[in-house]
Amino acid sequence: AQTVTQSQPEMSVQEAETVTLSCTYDTSESDYYLFWYKQPPSRQMILVIRQEAYKQQNATENRFSVNFQKAAKSFSLKISDSQLGDAAMYFCALTRGSEKLVFGKGMKLTVNP
Amino acid sequence: DAEITQSPRHKITETGRQVTLACHQTWNHNNMFWYRQDLGHGLRLIHYSYGVQDTNKGEVSDGYSVSRSNTEDLPLTLESAASSQTSVYFCASSASQETQYFGPGTRLLVL
Repeated sequence: AQTVTQSQPEMSVQEAETVTLSCTYDTSESDYYLFWYKQPPSRQMILVIRQEAYKQQNATENRFSVNFQKAAKSFSLKISDSQLGDAAMYFCALTRGSEKLVFGKGMKLTVNP
Repeated sequence: DAEITQSPRHKITETGRQVTLACHQTWNHNNMFWYRQDLGHGLRLIHYSYGVQDTNKGEVSDGYSVSRSNTEDLPLTLESAASSQTSVYFCASSASQETQYFGPGTRLLVL
């Protein structure tokens, strides 16, 4: 069975600062994909970033980057230059590809002006 | 632009009634999924489909059914609504081996 754990239910960061959201997972598969989704108050699930397990290079998308540690089964998200619009629930998720996403329980990020 | 839509966005119903939530995508994706989101549980998979006439049960499928008669639509039916099915429901779609994209969600209240 695949599991995803987000151990910090809430975090806060000052505007313009950097914050790191942690995620650990468990899977017996060698080929899988990891995602971070953002859910603002509108409740829309928005893809932030994606990482293929076979790629050693960490994914980056503008101010968002990941630290993917395959051996440790860790997948953290770093948000640089935090903005007020980054305030949201963040979900870490895992899939073997075409199959279902397994989600963590989420983490609420507050950005303070 | 291609998109995925859900309707209705909000629904109030009574215990015991049949309810159908619609999901329509114009991405031409083969894979479609239904999740429910509850506080403290994240999103959990209800049913999914890998193509026309294909349906599969997820981890919380009891009391729900789906049918896939075309590529674009995967309606979710609650056969006899229960208060425990009060939740926010998300539909998602993906091409093979690709990212899932989510609809805007349907908030369902069962009284």
